[in-house]
Amino acid sequence: EVQLVESGGGLVQPGGSLRLSCAASGFTVSSYWMHWVRQGPGKGLEWVSRIHSDGSSTSYADYVKGRFIISRDNPKNTLYLQMNSLRAEDTAVYHCARGGESSGYWSFDLWGRGTLVTVSS
Amino acid sequence: DVVMTQSPDSLAVSLGERATINCKSSQSVFYSSNYLAWYQQKPGQPPKLLIYWASTRESGVPDRFSGSGSGTDFTLTISSLQAEDVAVYYCQQYYRTPPTFGGGTKVEIK
Repeated sequence: EVQLVESGGGLVQPGGSLRLSCAASGFTVSSYWMHWVRQGPGKGLEWVSRIHSDGSSTSYADYVKGRFIISRDNPKNTLYLQMNSLRAEDTAVYHCARGGESSGYWSFDLWGRGTLVTVSS
Repeated sequence: DVVMTQSPDSLAVSLGERATINCKSSQSVFYSSNYLAWYQQKPGQPPKLLIYWASTRESGVPDRFSGSGSGTDFTLTISSLQAEDVAVYYCQQYYRTPPTFGGGTKVEIK
């Protein structure tokens, strides 16, 4: 079955760090652009970051630039998001998502259920 | 960033009737194609891609879902609302980085 399963969320204090994982099955993450998209409580969707299929290029939303790092482990077929200097406004469900080949890789044709990150003292 | 504005925020439609959701971008998202996608999010589930390039249905999406529009104004139409279509619908532009989403439209049964 083609799916994405996130893990690693939890409660963290402001200024703390967390690493999210996204395990893929049924396809190879290194063949696709992969993204992180978040959804704050009662809020809409916000794109966070992406990694190119060749792994050489990454990009970030301004509100996480310099604090978050996207990466992947090809043998484990897993995507990661290292989150540092966390703020209350980073509280959200974090989804990993696959960039759709048919749509230029910037729309998202497969999503994980997400993992909840709560930043609070 | 490109701002995506959806309307209405919510709508209630009778079963079998048409539902229409609008999406407006703060700048044109057209360059040979319209870089516009639509998603459906049911409670407790992640978003699901319905339509990309403004009007191309994703594989497996029922043909009662259709997308139209160009430039800055787009529409998602559900031609005959079914009970399983109750959800929040989002538009997304991917013409410019960062990709941005509309605020969502909640569709309910009247």
